[in-house]
Amino acid sequence: GESVGLHLPTLSVQEGDNSIINCAYSNSASDYFIWYKQESGKGPQFIIDIRSNMDKRQGQRVTVLLNKTVKHLSLQIAATQPGDSAVYFCAESDTGGFKTIFGAGTRLFVKA
Amino acid sequence: GAGVSQSPSNKVTEKGKDVELRCDPISGHTALYWYRQRLGQGLEFLIYFQGNSAPDKSGLPSDRFSAERTGESVSTLTIQRTQQEDSAVYLCASSFDLGGYTFGSGTRLTVV
Repeated sequence: GESVGLHLPTLSVQEGDNSIINCAYSNSASDYFIWYKQESGKGPQFIIDIRSNMDKRQGQRVTVLLNKTVKHLSLQIAATQPGDSAVYFCAESDTGGFKTIFGAGTRLFVKA
Repeated sequence: GAGVSQSPSNKVTEKGKDVELRCDPISGHTALYWYRQRLGQGLEFLIYFQGNSAPDKSGLPSDRFSAERTGESVSTLTIQRTQQEDSAVYLCASSFDLGGYTFGSGTRLTVV
């Protein structure tokens, strides 16, 4: 079936560096994409979203890039902090956001 | 309440017993979702409710799983005759129209 996957299962970065987490999706009909952050013992937390009519969206210290040609999504975190350590999930939807399929997740480790 | 509330937070049950997991969504959120997350893995879609529409049950893994929602409020996920492979964290989320979900902290189910 359709799936959302990630290129790297784990990512280790130095505090202060920029982080880039990548994601590939396979459903060309997907029109809404979201990144979530999940800390240990908690539910996923919404970070940022992007619709298919955009290729870039910026938030506070985070940027999401969407390349529909190659069905690729990335999350960039500027000046990574220890509090950014978590598992990051990309997610996609083609039903207006009401049925979202999640990828397997990437664990981000931030070294002090 | 201010967030999505799930109860119990932890549940240990014997194989073959039935369990009920409860979710209280954010007031006013029309959509409610259940996901399952096995240890170290991504989120597996189970079911979603949207307003008065028929629920999308396409993710329920077997007929031992069922879910109900009362209007636009509380939802209960029931697992009958639990098996060890049902052990996971069950996450509930709600949303208002298109947008990111707000997740609860989940119910950790352990079947022994």
